[in-house]
Amino acid sequence: QVQLVESGGGVVQPGRSLRLSCAASGFTFSRYGMHWVRQAPGKGLEWVAVIRYDGSNEYYADSVKGRFTISRDNAENTLYLQMNSLRTEDTAVYYCAKEGSYAVTSFDCWGQGTLVTVSS
Amino acid sequence: QSALTQPASVSGSPGQSITISCTGTSSDVDSYVSWYQQHPGKAPKLIIYSVSKRPSGVSNRFSGSQSGNTASLTISGLQAEDEADYYCSSYKSTSTLFGGGTKLTVL
Repeated sequence: QVQLVESGGGVVQPGRSLRLSCAASGFTFSRYGMHWVRQAPGKGLEWVAVIRYDGSNEYYADSVKGRFTISRDNAENTLYLQMNSLRTEDTAVYYCAKEGSYAVTSFDCWGQGTLVTVSS
Repeated sequence: QSALTQPASVSGSPGQSITISCTGTSSDVDSYVSWYQQHPGKAPKLIIYSVSKRPSGVSNRFSGSQSGNTASLTISGLQAEDEADYYCSSYKSTSTLFGGGTKLTVL
C-alpha cells in the first residue's frame, strides 16, 4: 500500500541545521509532486514547500524561504527537507504528503510525521 | 493568520448533522478546496477534494459544497469516531493555504 515514512527529526539549537527524509513506497514516486507540511504543538497545519514530480520546480512558504530547501531522489524514492538557520518558531511535527492521484490539488497520503524541536 | 477562516469549534449529538464553514476571498475559495480530518496524535486524512469529491473509502456521510466565497463540509449521522479536527485547504499553483482548523466535539 501507499506509504510515506519520515525520519531525521530531533532536538537542535537555534541557528543550526537539520535534514529530514521521507521514504516513499507503494506508488510510482517519480510521477507525483511532493509536499512538506508542518504543525506546531497545539496549532494548525502550515504548508511548507512543494517540489514537482521531476524536481523541476520548488516553491516555499514565505516563513521558510531562503532557509529551507526541498529536494528529491527519484531513484531512491526519497524526499528531503534541508532546514538551515533554524528558529524556535520552526518547532513542529513535519509531515511529508503526496499530491493526489485524482487531483494534484489535494494531498491523498501523509506520513506519520517527525518532530523537530528547536531549543537552546 | 490564515487566509481561510474556519470556526474554532462545532459540536453535535450522535445521529445529527453538522456543517463546518471555510471562508476566504474569491481567489482563495475556488474549485480546488479540500478537507482533511485529523485525530489527536495522528496524521491528517483527506476526506474531500475538489470541493465535493470523496476519495475511495471515505464514508458518504461526509459531503462538501461551495457557495460564493465559502466552502462547507457537512457530516451527517454523526458518530463518536467523527470527533476530530477538520481543516480546509485551497491549492494554488505555487502554494497551499490551510484554514485554522475546527475542533468537532460529538456530545
